[in-house]
Amino acid sequence: AQSVTQLGSHVSVSEGALVLLRCNYSSSVPPYLFWYVQYPNQGLQLLLKYTSAATLVKGINGFEAEFKKSETSFHLTKPSAHMSDAAEYFCAVSDPRYGNNRLAFGKGNQVVVIP
Amino acid sequence: GAGVSQSPSNKVTEKGKDVELRCDPISGHTALYWYRQSLGQGLEFLIYFQGNSAPDKSGLPSDRFSAERTGGSVSTLTIQRTQQEDSAVYLCASSSSGREADTQYFGPGTRLTVL
Repeated sequence: AQSVTQLGSHVSVSEGALVLLRCNYSSSVPPYLFWYVQYPNQGLQLLLKYTSAATLVKGINGFEAEFKKSETSFHLTKPSAHMSDAAEYFCAVSDPRYGNNRLAFGKGNQVVVIP
Repeated sequence: GAGVSQSPSNKVTEKGKDVELRCDPISGHTALYWYRQSLGQGLEFLIYFQGNSAPDKSGLPSDRFSAERTGGSVSTLTIQRTQQEDSAVYLCASSSSGREADTQYFGPGTRLTVL
């Protein structure tokens, strides 16, 4: 089964600084990869996804992620953090072998933006 | 347009009671998923419905959990004889099809508390 590793449950970043959230997956076949964001008391919202097209994926709110097969990674970045980026971020993977789109999620990163 | 809706938003029940959680997917979406989000286990896949095909129930944690989808639209997740470890946020998602790269759109969730 697929698994996803996100290190550092809580991440603090200063306003205006780089946001970097790491995601590594385990897979013997190229998966589909997703980053979701969850604001307090809300459902998950898709930030971006990798579906085997371009390895550098741009998403909403200025976020982007790069798929690196050699490192089995899909790290999320944003050049300059904004207060509104405070939320929980989840990396997820879909395994093509299941024949459906069930997602396996990482444990999440709670991002705190310091003014 | 309308997103995924779930009801109730909060449910408090006593141990041993049965509960029903409802999900209304986005109109026209053929795929529907249930996930559970808890402090200890993170986000876990529970069950997947696609059109009239047999559901993928492999994520259901015990036989106290069941789900149905009527008319290919609304879904109900039922938990019988609830236990305290069932306390979690139950999230529903839908996608236009069950293809692996499709975006899943999440509802706001139902927070279940078992006393």
